[in-house]
Amino acid sequence: NAGVMQNPRHLVRRRGQEARLRCSPMKGHSHVYWYRQLPEEGLKFMVYLQKENIIDESGMPKERFSAEFPKEGPSILRIQQVVRGDSAAYFCASSRKQGLDEQFFGPGTRLTVL
Amino acid sequence: QKEVEQDPGPLSVPEGAIVSLNCTYSNSAFQYFMWYRQYSRKGPELLMYTYSSGNKEDGRFTAQVDKSSKYISLFIRDSQPSDSATYLCAMSDTGGFKTIFGAGTRLFVKA
Repeated sequence: NAGVMQNPRHLVRRRGQEARLRCSPMKGHSHVYWYRQLPEEGLKFMVYLQKENIIDESGMPKERFSAEFPKEGPSILRIQQVVRGDSAAYFCASSRKQGLDEQFFGPGTRLTVL
Repeated sequence: QKEVEQDPGPLSVPEGAIVSLNCTYSNSAFQYFMWYRQYSRKGPELLMYTYSSGNKEDGRFTAQVDKSSKYISLFIRDSQPSDSATYLCAMSDTGGFKTIFGAGTRLFVKA
């Protein structure tokens, strides 16, 4: 039973380019969460999605960032026109049900913006 | 002031020592308290989860919550080199899904 999968594991982009991060939740999980982790800081909640719906995006920057979780395929976190401050580890987690349920984390995507 | 405060360490202890990791928080709405372990270059994994105040024990790990002081702790007994990792406290309100994490404490257990 595969865990949460994220790809790519490492992504290098130049300033102004777009970054697309993918997350495939665990089998049977329909709830996906995205977090960002900066050095020496904890995980910061970004967005919570269910299939085809954004439930809470209160942690997402207002510009350049978007997320989706389509009916088919992985969840995508998209960062347009990346800047150096976007360099971080981005983690995806999934859970089986809404509310308090264990979130299983993927290995993360490390984004470096040159 | 951050909602959750956690000393980043690093904390270095000899093998076999008892380790105490702590977090304080400011939001009295938090009801669920969790500890995650994160190895280098990996995603966090849930270690312990408690609801409201009290203690919970699982093997060498004990989690304590003191809501009156807004203070939570994780104790590791008979620490092993394999316990070397970053430990993140996390908490959420009754809604559950929006989890607030501490910055994490880096622990090194020396053989």
